[in-house]
Amino acid sequence: DAKTTQPTSMDCAEGRAANLPCNHSTISGNEYVYWYRQIHSQGPQYIIHGLKNNETNEMASLIITEDRKSSTLILPHATLRDTAVYYCIVRGYGGATNKLIFGTGTLLAVQP
Amino acid sequence: NAGVTQTPKFQVLKTGQSMTLQCAQDMNHEYMSWYRQDPGMGLRLIHYSVGAGITDQGEVPNGYNVSRSTTEDFPLRLLSAAPSQTSVYFCASSSISGGVYGYTFGSGTRLTVV
Repeated sequence: DAKTTQPTSMDCAEGRAANLPCNHSTISGNEYVYWYRQIHSQGPQYIIHGLKNNETNEMASLIITEDRKSSTLILPHATLRDTAVYYCIVRGYGGATNKLIFGTGTLLAVQP
Repeated sequence: NAGVTQTPKFQVLKTGQSMTLQCAQDMNHEYMSWYRQDPGMGLRLIHYSVGAGITDQGEVPNGYNVSRSTTEDFPLRLLSAAPSQTSVYFCASSSISGGVYGYTFGSGTRLTVV
C-alpha cells in the first residue's frame, strides 16, 4: 500500500476555503486517492475519491496533480462543523487491495 | 436502510473474559473490516473480509478472531481480553459492485478492559 504524508494540523477561518495537502509519491497506476474525515468520537466519514481527474461533490473538491504524486482536498467554505481529522488514503481496487489503511491524518481546526 | 450497525456501544470487561463485538450491514456489501482506535491515534486495521467465508489479517490481528458466515454479519471475538485491548472499535463495509465506492463506518464500540 502506498504511504501518504499529511501535515499534523492546520487552522482555517470560518467561511474561508480550507486546502488540505497530501503527498503520495509512491502511488501506483491503479490506486485511488480517498479522503475521509473523523469528527470527534465518531466513525470516519467518506468525503471524496479520485484516480486521475479532479473531482467535486457536494462536500468538497479533490485536485490531483498530473503526476499523481500529490493531491489537495478543498472545503470551499469551511464551517465550525468541519473541524475534524482528515485522512488521505491511497487504496487499490478489488480483492485484498480494497482494504483501507489509515495514517495519522491532519487535524483541521476551523476558527470562528 | 440502517447502514452499519455495531453492538454494544459500550462494554467493560475484566481481564481474561471473552466477548463478541457485533457488526451488521444491510447494504449487501462484499467487503467488511474491523479497526481499533486508541486515544490520539489513527485507525488500525485488525481483520477484513472480501466476502462470505473469506477473511484475512490486517495490521494488528493478534488477540482477535473473526468469521464471515453471511454477507451481512462480521463479528469480532476477543477470546481472552487484556487491558491493551482497551480501545474504540469500528466496523466498516464497502461494495465494489459496479464501481469504486467508499467505506461506510459504524458508530463504534467503546471497550474498556480492567
